Amino acid sequence: NAGVMQNPRHLVRRRGQEARLRCSPMKGHSHVYWYRQLPEEGLKFMVYLQKENIIDESGMPKERFSAEFPKEGPSILRIQQVVRGDSAAYFCASSPVDRSTGNTIYFGEGSWLTVV
Amino acid sequence: KNEVEQSPQNLTAQEGEFITINCSYSVGISALHWLQQHPGGGIVSLFMLSSGKKKHGRLIATINIQEKHSSLHITASHPRDSAVYICAVSRGTDKLIFGTGTRLQVFP
Repeated sequence: NAGVMQNPRHLVRRRGQEARLRCSPMKGHSHVYWYRQLPEEGLKFMVYLQKENIIDESGMPKERFSAEFPKEGPSILRIQQVVRGDSAAYFCASSPVDRSTGNTIYFGEGSWLTVV
Repeated sequence: KNEVEQSPQNLTAQEGEFITINCSYSVGISALHWLQQHPGGGIVSLFMLSSGKKKHGRLIATINIQEKHSSLHITASHPRDSAVYICAVSRGTDKLIFGTGTRLQVFP
């Protein structure tokens, strides 16, 4: 679990600012998932990325949210013009290419975004 | 109706008690996951199951594919087991569909 690194752990933004959340997957993992946990709600899928590709973004809000996973560097979840409703915990998870060994999925510690 | 349902939503126990948390799902799955989340904390994967039963220390997870049901058991519960336990299912990839979680409090 400690292998998936997310930063920042806590982020405070004023309404209208941009928030950038970073996720470095475990070494050897090329699949990254972003999930959002709204206050007092369950976790919801946002987006699934592989290196340089968005595979599934069916859980992403249509506006203001974007995600990328470049060839080099961490995956970034970007929220433009944040609103109070964006306040949530954002979790990143990674998994290896080969799942045949039955490896489990690994989560980061989360990034807690507060919009004031 | 949620695709993944957990019960109970809240659970309190005395230290040493045997605990069971249930999870039912309504979709075809490739695997079922049990996760643990401490308040304000990260998420830890406890088990990934596609059939049968797994055991790790005092934790046991079972799954019945035909009945689309899984259980997480904690034997000899301890206050440090207090956390939210989340059931999630995956369907081919690691895109997870989550239950709403079971909040467990174990009192000394």
